[in-house]
Amino acid sequence: QVQLVESGGGLVKPGGSLRLSCAASGFTFSDFYISWIRQAPGNGLEWISYIDGGDMYTTYADPVRGRFTISRDNAKNSVFLQMTGLRVDDTAMYYCVRHRGPAIFDLWGRGTMVSVSS
Amino acid sequence: EIVMTQYPETLSLSPGQRATLLCRASQSVNYNLAWYQRKPGQPPRLLISGASNRATGVPDRFSGGGSTTDFALIISSLQSEDFAVYFCHQYEKWPWTFGQGTKVEIK
Repeated sequence: QVQLVESGGGLVKPGGSLRLSCAASGFTFSDFYISWIRQAPGNGLEWISYIDGGDMYTTYADPVRGRFTISRDNAKNSVFLQMTGLRVDDTAMYYCVRHRGPAIFDLWGRGTMVSVSS
Repeated sequence: EIVMTQYPETLSLSPGQRATLLCRASQSVNYNLAWYQRKPGQPPRLLISGASNRATGVPDRFSGGGSTTDFALIISSLQSEDFAVYFCHQYEKWPWTFGQGTKVEIK
């Protein structure tokens, strides 16, 4: 079955860290870029980072640059998002999303919830 | 960053009616515009890319049009399964951005 499944979300205090995982199945994982996209309660979708399929090129949106790190393990069909220095405004549902070069997001996971609160 | 504005926020229609959803970009995105459908409890589903190209498996009652800054998603005859939230997305420039969504609800 072609799918992406996120895990690793939870409740963390401000300044804390979390590591999100995204497990892919049903397709040739290394052929695709993977992005993380989040949606805070009551807000729209916000793209935050992507990693390409092979060269491991990465990029980040300004709100997370320097705090979040995206990585992947093609042998394990997995992508990770290491989040440090978490802030209250990082509270959101985090989605793992597949795409090719152009950011046409053709497969989404169901998301994992991250809550940052004291 | 490019701001995507969708309107109306809510569209109240009956099954069988035509729905026209609009999306405006704060600067040109050429044809680099996608539409997605989102239902409660489900991940978003790609409907349209390149402003007008239907994704695999998308019924032909869904059509997209427009270019540069103004785009539309048209559902020619609403079916019960089409009542959902729809949002647009530009991938012309980083950071890629999304509209806030239009909710299509049953009247």
